[in-house]
Amino acid sequence: DTGVSQDPRHKITKRGQNVTFRCDPISEHNRLYWYRQTLGQGPEFLTYFQNEAQLEKSRLLSDRFSAERPKGSFSTLEIQRTEQGDSAMYLCATRSPVNTEAFFGQGTRLTVV
Amino acid sequence: GEDVEQSLFLSVREGDSSVINCTYTDSSSTYLYWYKQEPGAGLQLLTYIFSNMDMKQDQRLTVLLNKKDKHLSLRIADTQTGDSAIYFCAETYTGTASKLTFGTGTRLQVTL
Repeated sequence: DTGVSQDPRHKITKRGQNVTFRCDPISEHNRLYWYRQTLGQGPEFLTYFQNEAQLEKSRLLSDRFSAERPKGSFSTLEIQRTEQGDSAMYLCATRSPVNTEAFFGQGTRLTVV
Repeated sequence: GEDVEQSLFLSVREGDSSVINCTYTDSSSTYLYWYKQEPGAGLQLLTYIFSNMDMKQDQRLTVLLNKKDKHLSLRIADTQTGDSAIYFCAETYTGTASKLTFGTGTRLQVTL
C-alpha cells in the first residue's frame, strides 16, 4: 500500500453515461497526477495539479474529461458521455515537493459497455 | 519529443539473472525510473537513477545508465517467481512538472 487511495477500484458503465473517479493523495504531497493505461501499454499522462491549480493537461484530455482538486487535497476525474474507447485503467500518482519519487494508487479500471 | 522503448517479453529460469532493457530519446531526461506492475494492480516504484549517474545498486537490483547511447537497463539477480510482472521504465525531464513518460513495458516470466 503506497498511501494513495483510489475509488472505486472497478467501474462498469454503459456508453453515454458519466463517471467520476476519486483520488486521495498522501497528505503532504502537493503534486497530483492522473494517468491512463490501456491494455498492453504503459501509462500515459493526462493532467497535473500543484496544490489546487491544474497546471498541465495532455492533448489526450478531450473536452469530455474534467479534473478538479478543489482544496488541494483529494482530486476527482470526471468523464462525460463515456465511449468504449475510454475503457482503461485510470491511475493517480502523487509526489511531495522535495521528493523525486511518485507514488501510485491501485487505479480505477473503467469498462464501458 | 519523448519516446521510451522496451522489448515486450523476457523469460528466465528461477535463480538466473534477468536483464530488462530500455532506450529513450530525450537527452534532457533528469531521472529515469523502473516500476513493477503485477496483474490488476497499480505501479510499484523499484528504483530510480539520476541522469548524471552510471550505475545504482539496491539489493538484488542493479541499474545501468549509458547516457551517450540513451540506454537504461535493470538487472535482477537471483530472479524469483514473485518477480514475474510487467516492468516499465520511465523518464522525467526538466520543464514538465516532473510528469513521467513510460515505455510500453516488458513482461517478465520466471519459470521453474
